[in-house]
Amino acid sequence: DTGVSQNPRHKITKRGQNVTFRCDPISEHNRLYWYRQTLGQGPEFLTYFQNEAQLEKSRLLSDRFSAERPKGSFSTLEIQRTEQGDSAMYLCASSLSSLNEQFFGPGTRLTVL
Amino acid sequence: AQSVTQLGSHVSVSEGALVLLRCNYSSSVPPYLFWYVQYPNQGLQLLLKYTSAATLVKGINGFEAEFKKSETSFHLTKPSAHMSDAAEYFCAVSDNNDMRFGAGTRLTVKP
Repeated sequence: DTGVSQNPRHKITKRGQNVTFRCDPISEHNRLYWYRQTLGQGPEFLTYFQNEAQLEKSRLLSDRFSAERPKGSFSTLEIQRTEQGDSAMYLCASSLSSLNEQFFGPGTRLTVL
Repeated sequence: AQSVTQLGSHVSVSEGALVLLRCNYSSSVPPYLFWYVQYPNQGLQLLLKYTSAATLVKGINGFEAEFKKSETSFHLTKPSAHMSDAAEYFCAVSDNNDMRFGAGTRLTVKP
């Protein structure tokens, strides 16, 4: 197993465009998390899944943000009508259960022009 | 609500000197506490975790942390810094649902 992977690693887009990021967790991990990290700050929790169920989404930053994990494996995070303030690193993590260590992917760096 | 505060956004030590990175937590339930390290342009890597077993937790790369309930602290230490320890360090607290991170401490190691 090669760990958590995220694609793309970098994304540059124009304001107003939609973007979608993909996360492939470690294969046997049930939980999958999304975080946003801005410069000089720690990761900020956005949402998480237990298998295919999204158990917490109230901390998504706005209704422009949505996430899916349709088959309980990979997940996607979509940002609609991007704004310059969305520029950040988006991190994905997975864990075997709620109290196990979270393994992080390398992140997707989004730049909104 | 749970939270962590990392005291000092930037710590600089000489190679071979003691490393001390401070973390205080707030939690309404017995906490699970973590220290992660992040190297430039990489994801976070777990250094160590506290899950209510031994209060002194040993991690990778010679790091350790001590859980002190009376002080609500979980400070990270390493007896002798190496150049390769230069990175960003994050303290985090977790309940069953989400993990809250501190703002991070950037460690610089001078030769």
